[in-house]
Amino acid sequence: GAVVSQHPSRVICKSGTSVKIECRSLDFQATTMFWYRQFPKQSLMLMATSNEGSKATYEQGVEKDKFLINHASLTLSTLTVTSAHPEDSSFYICSARDPGVGELFFGEGSRLTVL
Amino acid sequence: AQSVAQPEDQVNVAEGNPLTVKCTYSVSGNPYLFWYVQYPNRGLQFLLKYITGDNLVKGSYGFEAEFNKSQTSFHLKKPSALVSDSALYFCAHGGATNKLIFGTGTLLAVQP
Repeated sequence: GAVVSQHPSRVICKSGTSVKIECRSLDFQATTMFWYRQFPKQSLMLMATSNEGSKATYEQGVEKDKFLINHASLTLSTLTVTSAHPEDSSFYICSARDPGVGELFFGEGSRLTVL
Repeated sequence: AQSVAQPEDQVNVAEGNPLTVKCTYSVSGNPYLFWYVQYPNRGLQFLLKYITGDNLVKGSYGFEAEFNKSQTSFHLKKPSALVSDSALYFCAHGGATNKLIFGTGTLLAVQP
């Protein structure tokens, strides 16, 4: 079946640095991908909708300058956490819809730890 | 506002017993309801969905869910629980845009 891949699965960085997380659809093209954030023992919070070839649509309360999203191709969306701080530590998950089967598939998630 | 609620933070069940994980919804228009499962430090895996049609939906790994319009519920069920079913379960609502609104999650613990 369709697979969505995230990289890296784990990243540790120093406060003030920027971190990029990649989300790839491996065997289908995705015009739209979604980025979620999950705090420990909590639900997933939709951060933004990534649109291929255009600007991302951010949910209310999400800082677009803090969480930069780029969807440069039909198989790749990236989330860059800029000037990361410890409070940005979280589990970030992406999803993409396979138009062929009409289903949403989720990546394995990326755990970010900011020291 | 569209929302789904999972009233139980955790459900404990003995292996071999039936399990139920509860979900209620509050949406305008037709509900598009999903169940996902998440294992530790992993992404979400799709279990089943209700869009229209038969109220009893069968999904992966022996799970099923019953859509009840009068009670606005979409409870997840399995006749006989396995220890390997222990995980975090999310109910979600989505529409044509594929933006999913998730419930708060229910941790299922199956004791051997």
